Amino acid sequence: EAEVAQSPRYKITEKSQAVAFWCDPISGHATLYWYRQILGQGPELLVQFQDESVVDDSQLPKDRFSAERLKGVDSTLKIQPAELGDSAMYLCASSPAFKNTEAFFGQGTRLTVV
Amino acid sequence: GENVGLHLPTLSVQEGDNSIINCAYSNSASDYFIWYKQESGKGPQFIIDIRSNMDKRQGQRVTVLLNKTVKHLSLQIAATQPGDSAVYFCAEIYNDMRFGAGTRLTVKP
Repeated sequence: EAEVAQSPRYKITEKSQAVAFWCDPISGHATLYWYRQILGQGPELLVQFQDESVVDDSQLPKDRFSAERLKGVDSTLKIQPAELGDSAMYLCASSPAFKNTEAFFGQGTRLTVV
Repeated sequence: GENVGLHLPTLSVQEGDNSIINCAYSNSASDYFIWYKQESGKGPQFIIDIRSNMDKRQGQRVTVLLNKTVKHLSLQIAATQPGDSAVYFCAEIYNDMRFGAGTRLTVKP
């Protein structure tokens, strides 16, 4: 069964260091989302891609976060420098089309900043 | 900005009872809605979806109701089982997909 792959599953980093997360969506899925989920809260959208283009990054803290999907397939989310408040689960989701289609999530990357 | 909210943060039911989880959404232009189930340490798992031109959709043991007049969604789970214990989120989709805070469902044996 096709699934969204994310790595690493867990990451511990020191504050002020750089950290990166990787997502491989389901093959053929044009839409890719990155979410941040703080424990006990709902996922918060960080960035949405349609193929290789960013369609919504209004919630992405651009002073320290960046995201790319260069070939319109897999994607990387980077934080530099990491802060204590960045500790959260980072979730990637993909869907076949922009609207009105089911989005599938990966297992997430649990980030702890110490 | 507009966001999706939930009426109850926690819900506890007896095994075998029916569960109803509610969700209020803010954007009247949202045209697609999804319910997700999230178990501890895992990513959200799709349960059921509904388009705005429908008011009810049924799946296996689950039913979603949409009331566009009051911008309200509900998820009904029939014969709730211990494996249904999780946090449930509704998501609304217009130009992007937004989530509310979630409801934690606990099933008592």
